[in-house]
Amino acid sequence: KNQVEQSPQSLIILEGKNCTLQCNYTVSPFSNLRWYKQDTGRGPVSLTIMTFSENTKSNGRYTATLDADTKQSSLHITASQLSDSASYICVVSALPREGNTPLVFGKGTRLSVIA
Amino acid sequence: EAGVAQSPRYKIIEKRQSVAFWCNPISGHATLYWYQQILGQGPKLLIQFQNNGVVDDSQLPKDRFSAERLKGVDSTLKIQPAKLEDSAVYLCASSWGTGGGEQYFGPGTRLTVT
Repeated sequence: KNQVEQSPQSLIILEGKNCTLQCNYTVSPFSNLRWYKQDTGRGPVSLTIMTFSENTKSNGRYTATLDADTKQSSLHITASQLSDSASYICVVSALPREGNTPLVFGKGTRLSVIA
Repeated sequence: EAGVAQSPRYKIIEKRQSVAFWCNPISGHATLYWYQQILGQGPKLLIQFQNNGVVDDSQLPKDRFSAERLKGVDSTLKIQPAKLEDSAVYLCASSWGTGGGEQYFGPGTRLTVT
């Protein structure tokens, strides 16, 4: 069964600190992995996307890694800011099937950055 | 570039009532998705349209949920009759195609069923 598991479920850190969020998946055959940021009351916004051959991708203070062998990804946030408080969702895409590309969503990690 | 628009942003109804949500995707995007996101969980795909045809509605509770995308642009999602467990945020997203391309999400409609 295609699944995406994220940890921790929630996290509280002090402003300026770094943190790392984890994502494990069993989606097969693998196409790509995305990290989304979802602010409260808003729709998810894409942060990074990685294909099988990529093992790291940065977007400002966000750095995502991918280990396709162990089927694990992480999202590292450097020098956190209050505005980083949000849910971070890992989404894995399988290869197209019958003209459709199914996405598998994780439940997200709720990050709270406090002053 | 204008984003995905949804309305209303919030809706409160009693169980057994009906409700409809509206979505206007990004101009030119052929594919439109409706997701249900229950509090504390990731989005769950309800239905996917390619232009005005349905690509995937395997997780849509068809006894009470219906959706249409007339003329391959705007879409409406309807629930009739609503149940307490339908309380969730309903997200609309759109993309250029179905080949795993970027999906752009709207702000969602938060539905509360009492």
